[in-house]
Amino acid sequence: AQSVAQPEDQVNVAEGNPLTVKCTYSVSGNPYLFWYVQYPNRGLQFLLKYITGDNLVKGSYGFEAEFNKSQTSFHLKKPSALVSDSALYFCAVRELSNTGKLIFGQGTTLQVKP
Amino acid sequence: KAGVTQTPRYLIKTRGQQVTLSCSPISGHRSVSWYQQTPGQGLQFLFEYFSETQRNKGNFPGRFSGRQFSNSRSEMNVSTLELGDSALYLCASSFRQGNTEAFFGQGTRLTVV
Repeated sequence: AQSVAQPEDQVNVAEGNPLTVKCTYSVSGNPYLFWYVQYPNRGLQFLLKYITGDNLVKGSYGFEAEFNKSQTSFHLKKPSALVSDSALYFCAVRELSNTGKLIFGQGTTLQVKP
Repeated sequence: KAGVTQTPRYLIKTRGQQVTLSCSPISGHRSVSWYQQTPGQGLQFLFEYFSETQRNKGNFPGRFSGRQFSNSRSEMNVSTLELGDSALYLCASSFRQGNTEAFFGQGTRLTVV
């Protein structure tokens, strides 16, 4: 069965520093991977996805993610964090190619301090 | 292009009552999925509807049900509410193919008292 793990409940970084939010996955077959962000009392906003091709995927708001097949990881990165990036981040995998079902990690709270 | 619309945004219900939540997907999207979000369990998949048919179902009791209409709008219903049903219920719409992202509504915050 497909699964996603986010090993850190919380990540703290200083504004202007690079940030990484970790995600590992377990799938049978080719993975379809996604990152979403959630602000308080809001729905999830799509950041970026990996389907195939370049291992470095660029997304919204300056975020990017690196797909590593050998380590089954899909870490979210940003070169310079902003206080406004503070939010809850979810990694997700599409269960099968012909389904809308997403399987989510438990989420990582990102705190960016001024 | 309008996003995913969920109504109502907030609901307070009493144990034993039933509730219906509504979701209007992005125009052209025929797949609608529902998720329950709680602090303890995180985001859990409830069910997916595509072309008015339930295609996937998560591990929830039969009190949770849903349907999809011919215009792709979807409703979910929870009967005999329990305190543990208090959660943020999120609806997502997509084209259903694996390589397309899902777009989420703002959610309905259900509180059961």
